[in-house]
Amino acid sequence: DTEVTQTPKHLVMGMTNKKSLKCEQHMGHRAMYWYKQKAKKPPELMFVYSYEKLSINESVPSRFSPECPNSSLLNLHLHALQPEDSALYLCASSQDTQGAGDTQYFGPGTRLTVL
Amino acid sequence: EDQVTQSPEALRLQEGESSSLNCSYTVSGLRGLFWYRQDPGKGPEFLFTLYSAGEEKEKERLKATLTKKESFLHITAPKPEDSATYLCAVQGSARQLTFGSGTQLTVLP
Repeated sequence: DTEVTQTPKHLVMGMTNKKSLKCEQHMGHRAMYWYKQKAKKPPELMFVYSYEKLSINESVPSRFSPECPNSSLLNLHLHALQPEDSALYLCASSQDTQGAGDTQYFGPGTRLTVL
Repeated sequence: EDQVTQSPEALRLQEGESSSLNCSYTVSGLRGLFWYRQDPGKGPEFLFTLYSAGEEKEKERLKATLTKKESFLHITAPKPEDSATYLCAVQGSARQLTFGSGTQLTVLP
């Protein structure tokens, strides 16, 4: 089973709201990722967690706050977002192999609209 | 800096008309090259991982090949349900994937 689940599927929020995106995988993967994808563009990496520790933060604004409660769960807390943050937010996971290529499996995404 | 260029940007085929998508790359220490399929509004679906030049992988109507400079995704006798955006990505010495801009494939019945 190569399934990554994400909730909610759709989210509409105002600029003063606080909301969270959730991601879950049960493949025993030790690396989890958040990506942002705008229309007709490839995914852009935001954060990487390896063994539940934040290992990469691609200079993402502080209004996005990731959290990894355990090896199967990944959250993205949202606060004071801007309309330009509207996008498809993707979660991915991988085994975190150190040698050969580390295949990432993506979830279905959360479509976020900021009003 | 790792770079990936995909061509063409868009491709329209008649059902049954075979073709190939190209992914040219430069990378420091290739660990893997990945192909994904993405339908509108959905997450990328994993297709193939290729690790070294000369490697080939097949799945139904799709076949991926790899050289030291590029990868091809060959589509044999495509069907309308093969319509999607196909993304190529490389992983070099860093953990991050570097994606190409994708090829939007439309297969007409």
